[in-house]
Amino acid sequence: DTAVSQTPKYLVTQMGNDKSIKCEQNLGHDTMYWYKQDSKKFLKIMFSYNNKELIINETVPNRFSPKSPDKAHLNLHINSLELGDSAVYFCASSEKTGMNEKLFFGSGTQLSVL
Amino acid sequence: SQQGEEDPQALSIQEGENATMNCSYKTSINNLQWYRQNSGRGLVHLILIRSNEREKHSGRLRVTLDTSKKSSSLLITASRAADTASYFCATDGMDSNYQLIWGAGTKLIIKP
Repeated sequence: DTAVSQTPKYLVTQMGNDKSIKCEQNLGHDTMYWYKQDSKKFLKIMFSYNNKELIINETVPNRFSPKSPDKAHLNLHINSLELGDSAVYFCASSEKTGMNEKLFFGSGTQLSVL
Repeated sequence: SQQGEEDPQALSIQEGENATMNCSYKTSINNLQWYRQNSGRGLVHLILIRSNEREKHSGRLRVTLDTSKKSSSLLITASRAADTASYFCATDGMDSNYQLIWGAGTKLIIKP
């Protein structure tokens, strides 16, 4: 069983559309994250949730809205997609929030906005 | 903001040789972690070294940390084709609210 699974793996869409990426972890972890990896491979945190509560909300356009229905799921909805949103989006989880936590990553969603 | 900076950006070596990658960072840290990313896949945690540790081993991996120089190195001994991947360091800064700050990675290619 995949520990952190996200769908879809590939997402190709037109500018202006709204799309969602789903993430689920079966590790029993309390904390989940969304990261964006750009074309130069830089990883930047977007959001972090601990037990369904938002704890990190980096400077991300409010077109991006995370939703955590329970601590095992963290979905990302993106409104009015723009060309610059093209990137690979990774979901990750950690046992809890704090020092010395290691992250477990999903396999990524490659978003291409045309 | 990017804290970690890996060096070199790319490294190509023969199978069996050792590979060394370096990471430099800017602020005081609680720990430093190394991750591997195979092409088209998510990152996989390799090793975590705490700020009060100087060296750590895991199988063919050896990580060193020099907090006075704000740098770390990852050594992979007896490299294999399966080690071909990008390697990232991430720091948990003392002022970062437990957020990991990532470098841009070193792309390692092992030639058979």
